[in-house]
Amino acid sequence: GAGVSQSPSNKVTEKGKDVELRCDPISGHTALYWYRQRLGQGLEFLIYFQGNSAPDKSGLPSDRFSAERTGESVSTLTIQRTQQEDSAVYLCASSSRTGFYEQYFGPGTRLTVT
Amino acid sequence: GENVEQHPSTLSVQEGDSAVIKCTYSDSASNYFPWYKQELGKRPQLIIDIRSNVGEKKDQRIAVTLNKTAKHFSLHITETQPEDSAVYFCAATNSGYSTLTFGKGTMLLVSP
Repeated sequence: GAGVSQSPSNKVTEKGKDVELRCDPISGHTALYWYRQRLGQGLEFLIYFQGNSAPDKSGLPSDRFSAERTGESVSTLTIQRTQQEDSAVYLCASSSRTGFYEQYFGPGTRLTVT
Repeated sequence: GENVEQHPSTLSVQEGDSAVIKCTYSDSASNYFPWYKQELGKRPQLIIDIRSNVGEKKDQRIAVTLNKTAKHFSLHITETQPEDSAVYFCAATNSGYSTLTFGKGTMLLVSP
């Protein structure tokens, strides 16, 4: 079946503008995660959604970052007033359940803030 | 919260050699330890995982070992091949929380 998809694949924006990144998880996956990966760096956890529970926002680096998820489907990550240090690849992942279950990653959105 | 340290940051080996990547974790409650492989320009993919109730798990040329007492786990790749070249990430979690804490990654380069 279809894997995790993300759009856009690339986004170039000017400093100070807002951006929205989209993630379509695998159908039926209740858990959804957002990560940030700076060039040559590891995976930095941002936010996690599980079903209808309150999201775990503990990884969001500032209040400029927010995310929403509609039920168990699409999620959008919004970055307001972008800064150059926001430049990174933003990866979304989903899993069928929590805990021991494999996270399936999307291809990522490469964000460049000029 | 959990903290995962990964070493080395880069590892170069000759084709056919073995490669070992080591990780330590801080939270004694962590009980699930996956390893992800990320080829250049591609998404991370799970290659092997281990739960805290076992000490070792093998899948063909790759194996993972876990030492709960010392709070460290390692990835072992035998008979390396050029297609093993990638960045490898270890991770740890307490499955009750589900969010993975990743190490910073190891770039493995296998020369033919």
